[in-house]
Amino acid sequence: GAVVSQHPSWVICKSGTSVKIECRSLDFQATTMFWYRQFPKQSLMLMATSNEGSKATYEQGVEKDKFLINHASLTLSTLTVTSAHPEDSSFYICSATHRVGTDTQYFGPGTRLTVL
Amino acid sequence: GENVEQHPSTLSVQEGDSAVIKCTYSDSASNYFPWYKQELGKRPQLIIDIRSNVGEKKDQRIAVTLNKTAKHFSLHITETQPEDSAVYFCAARNPADGLTFGKGTHLIIQP
Repeated sequence: GAVVSQHPSWVICKSGTSVKIECRSLDFQATTMFWYRQFPKQSLMLMATSNEGSKATYEQGVEKDKFLINHASLTLSTLTVTSAHPEDSSFYICSATHRVGTDTQYFGPGTRLTVL
Repeated sequence: GENVEQHPSTLSVQEGDSAVIKCTYSDSASNYFPWYKQELGKRPQLIIDIRSNVGEKKDQRIAVTLNKTAKHFSLHITETQPEDSAVYFCAARNPADGLTFGKGTHLIIQP
């Protein structure tokens, strides 16, 4: 149980285009989803926290107009990287918790974004 | 916000020996401390976690200790095996936030 999927697993796009990444909880309802970014050989950095039906909370330094997060249902959150540039190339990973007040986060497999 | 420091960045041990990775955190409100193992290009996998009302937790060859007063926690792996080679991340979370990760430790098990 507690499986999180992401789609796509990798994407290559041209500079200036927008890319949408989906995060789904497959066998549970995710009250909260988190989006992280990981550059090569570095740690995971929290970008934003998303609760179903409300606006995402962004970490300091993360542009909310560039990284659009939608959490329209208890099983789906999306991250859209708008007007992507090469410096946005990274590994984007989502995670989810399945009950209010629980700590354990289940991670998706990640999406490798390469912007040319 | 929370700040998590992790040491060492690289750890090489002989197969069968023990490995210890240490982390410190800054936010006294943090109450949940997981450890993740990540292989190259894969998702982080939770290997053990501890909450602030407990000082130690063990699961077979893996143990975690927590010192709330000193704000540090450690991962102990005994009888290391080649498949333990990976990058290990500690993390801390206060109830209102997502996880703050340490910078990671690249554990190398020498045969």
